[in-house]
Amino acid sequence: DAKTTQPTSMDCAEGRAANLPCNHSTISGNEYVYWYRQIHSQGPQYIIHGLKNNETNEMASLIITEDRKSSTLILPHATLRDTAVYYCIVRVAGGFQKLVFGTGTRLLVSP
Amino acid sequence: GAVVSQHPSWVICKSGTSVKIECRSLDFQATTMFWYRQFPKQSLMLMATSNEGSKATYEQGVEKDKFLINHASLTLSTLTVTSANPEDSSFYICSARDDSDSNEKLFFGSGTQLSVL
Repeated sequence: DAKTTQPTSMDCAEGRAANLPCNHSTISGNEYVYWYRQIHSQGPQYIIHGLKNNETNEMASLIITEDRKSSTLILPHATLRDTAVYYCIVRVAGGFQKLVFGTGTRLLVSP
Repeated sequence: GAVVSQHPSWVICKSGTSVKIECRSLDFQATTMFWYRQFPKQSLMLMATSNEGSKATYEQGVEKDKFLINHASLTLSTLTVTSANPEDSSFYICSARDDSDSNEKLFFGSGTQLSVL
């Protein structure tokens, strides 16, 4: 899987948008960008994924640059419960491809 | 969304004993499940890929005789830590892929905290 680079930590005020960047400059054409998060002492939770178009669901939006070398996860109105480690992962879809986690970004949402 | 149930949530055992952790997909079938371990303040490390009806595929550096994986049905995979020692104390997490889901999402269990005395 292609390697991703994320900031170690970020802070965000409650109610504001949280924008989490991810660099994946060596991504291949058939690799998707996945985002998961892990709240302390729990299993990871799927957030969103995309190939090249921007995606939005009830949890977040995913903005992928045109060259696909980077992406941004947007939590439009962060709450205290969004405090977690956020992982950006690139992975080939199809078959039973494993998910390899990097170090992620620790997001702290404060009142 | 799909639910993956992992049991037990935590376990304390003595050195030299074996511990079994179960991972069940409650409302979907999963031909493939994955087992991870996580040390405090570190990321998840993939241990092995569990395939229903066949041998598991272990990542480099993971001892297959120490971490026994059995995936006997499409909804259950088990990880047995054999001859446990304090260095095996960790947070173990399983994940599963819904065979019918074309979106390729993986669903995770809530994890098992293992403490070996």
